[in-house]
Amino acid sequence: DADVTQTPRNRITKTGKRIMLECSQTKGHDRMYWYRQDPGLGLRLIYYSFDVKDINKGEISDGYSVSRQAQAKFSLSLESAIPNQTALYFCATSDPSQGPEAFFGQGTRLTVV
Amino acid sequence: QKEVEQNSGPLSVPEGAIASLNCTYSDRGSQSFFWYRQYSGKSPELIMSIYSNGDKEDGRFTAQLNKASQYVSLLIRDSQPSDSATYLCAVNPRDSSYKLIFGSGTRLLVRP
Repeated sequence: DADVTQTPRNRITKTGKRIMLECSQTKGHDRMYWYRQDPGLGLRLIYYSFDVKDINKGEISDGYSVSRQAQAKFSLSLESAIPNQTALYFCATSDPSQGPEAFFGQGTRLTVV
Repeated sequence: QKEVEQNSGPLSVPEGAIASLNCTYSDRGSQSFFWYRQYSGKSPELIMSIYSNGDKEDGRFTAQLNKASQYVSLLIRDSQPSDSATYLCAVNPRDSSYKLIFGSGTRLLVRP
């Protein structure tokens, strides 16, 4: 089983709909991240969380919100999806005692039509 | 100027050759450097990390770091078709203990 699990793996939704992407991890890491990946743009940080009570915006947080329900769970919501949010979304974790290396989930391919 | 720059490629090499992937970064105080491999539609997988100037070898992979030139590279010896993937360079900047800045990746094609 994957250490970082994302659900759903694929999703097609309509413009204006609210959608939630979920992430859970069994690595025991405190830090969790949400990235999006677009062709030619690499990975960009949306939100990150150092623990349940510490949530921070990344470089492209507009249009997104997050919830850290537990140490192991970090969800990303699109309040009102728009087509330019069509992308590949990755959840990641890290452990500061081991360095800044990030460990990624399998990804969620989201299409907004 | 992008914080982490990579040539998008594709870089095409014959099987058995050495593939050389390059990355430059803008923050001179960056602390640590990583190479991730990403197969199409899959998640990035960490393959190398390097923290000090010089070379670090792991099997067929060698990471090279030159902080004075703000340059990090990845060499893949005896390239195999299974090495065909996109390679992402990631840098941990000086002002953050948690943050990784990713390049947009170089696509490598290894021809049988």
